Amino acid sequence: EADIYQTPRYLVIGTGKKITLECSQTMGHDKMYWYQQDPGMELHLIHYSYGVNSTEKGDLSSESTVSRIRTEHFPLTLESARPSHTSQYLCASSMQGQNTGELFFGEGSRLTVL
Amino acid sequence: KNQVEQSPQSLIILEGKNCTLQCNYTVSPFSNLRWYKQDTGRGPVSLTIMTFSENTKSNGRYTATLDADTKQSSLHITASQLSDSASYICVVSDRGSTLGRLYFGRGTQLTVWP
Repeated sequence: EADIYQTPRYLVIGTGKKITLECSQTMGHDKMYWYQQDPGMELHLIHYSYGVNSTEKGDLSSESTVSRIRTEHFPLTLESARPSHTSQYLCASSMQGQNTGELFFGEGSRLTVL
Repeated sequence: KNQVEQSPQSLIILEGKNCTLQCNYTVSPFSNLRWYKQDTGRGPVSLTIMTFSENTKSNGRYTATLDADTKQSSLHITASQLSDSASYICVVSDRGSTLGRLYFGRGTQLTVWP
C-alpha cells in the first residue's frame, strides 16, 4: 500500500477563498506530481517536482501554484478559488520519472467551489 | 496526435464471469503501457506495467497483453468479484526518460453484479 496522504479528502468552499491541498509521502521519493481529474475524463498533469526547490508546470494550464520545501511535502494552493476549479486533485510520487517508474497515488482531494 | 482510446466506456458483468477491456493507442515513440484500477472516490492503483518487449503480464486474476505492432493492449479479468467494480485506466508513456510524458485513457467503468 502506498504511503502517500492527501488532505482534505473533500472540501466545499465559496468563490474567492484561498485554499491549500496538502500532500505528503513517507517513501522518500524525489519526484512528486499533481493531477486533475474530472468525472469520466482522463487525468491531466498540472504540476510536478523532481526534488526540493524544484517545481514545473505540467501539460494542463492551471491557476494553482505548488511548492516543494521538503522532500516529503508537496502542497497545492489556489489563491482565489472559482467554480471552474471544481474537480478532483490527485497527488502522486515516484522513485523514477513518471514515465519510467511506478506512480503511487494518494486518495485524492475533491474540491467543490460554490 | 498521441492518444489513448479505451473500450468499452462501461461494462456490466455478473460475479464470477470473465471480461476483457481494450486499449488502443497512437503514442509514439512507445516506452511502456500501464493499467491502473481506480475505485470510486479513490486514487488509481497500479496493476501492471509492460515495456515493448513484454507481450503479457499477470497480477493475480488480472492479465494484461500488449501487441506493440498493432498498438493494442487488453486487460483480462478472470472470475470477477464484486470488489473488481472500478474504473480501469490505460496509460501509455512515450519515452523512457524524464523528458517524456504519460497519456491517459478515460477509463472503462466496470460494474460487477452479484
